[in-house]
Amino acid sequence: DAGVIQSPRHEVTEMGQEVTLRCKPISGHNSLFWYRQTMMRGLELLIYFNNNVPIDDSGMPEDRFSAKMPNASFSTLKIQPSEPRDSAVYFCASSADRVGAETQYFGPGTRLLVL
Amino acid sequence: DQQVKQNSPSLSVQEGRISILNCDYTNSMFDYFLWYKKYPAEGPTFLISISSIKDKNEDGRFTVFLNKSAKHLSLHIVPSQPGDSAVYFCAASEGTYKYIFGTGTRLKVLA
Repeated sequence: DAGVIQSPRHEVTEMGQEVTLRCKPISGHNSLFWYRQTMMRGLELLIYFNNNVPIDDSGMPEDRFSAKMPNASFSTLKIQPSEPRDSAVYFCASSADRVGAETQYFGPGTRLLVL
Repeated sequence: DQQVKQNSPSLSVQEGRISILNCDYTNSMFDYFLWYKKYPAEGPTFLISISSIKDKNEDGRFTVFLNKSAKHLSLHIVPSQPGDSAVYFCAASEGTYKYIFGTGTRLKVLA
């Protein structure tokens, strides 16, 4: 199994630019999560999809952030416009949501630097 | 307010000895707990979990202990190996998808 795939692995952009992060979950998993890791706040959940439908986006910091899951094998997290405080590592995770809290499997992350 | 706390940011242990990583939580509704290991430039990797109906779960060299009355869990690694050097995160859930992560403990196993 290839695991969760994220691209790009690193992204450097200038303030005001649009950033798009991509994720391919593990095949057969029907839950997908986007997390952000910062020194100040640690690892925090941004948004949760189940069967391609956004279920909980309460962690999305503000309207500049949006996420989509057009099909079971692809999701994007977009930041428009980006700001320096968005610099962080963004992880995508997936799980096979059968009952309750199934184990989440993380991708390698995208390290974002906004100048 | 941090619901899951890992009060030791770092820990050093000699190879072959026991590593004990600790985690405290405040929410008594948490009923599922996990430990993840993270190497630099990689995502967190699931290590071991425990449900609140148990007080111990073992998987090879890794054992997680849960003390519900103290709201405390710990991860024991015996024997510790240099390859275990990583950041360890504990996470807790109320039986749902919403994991609350601790801030991590960096373990260094000295050869």
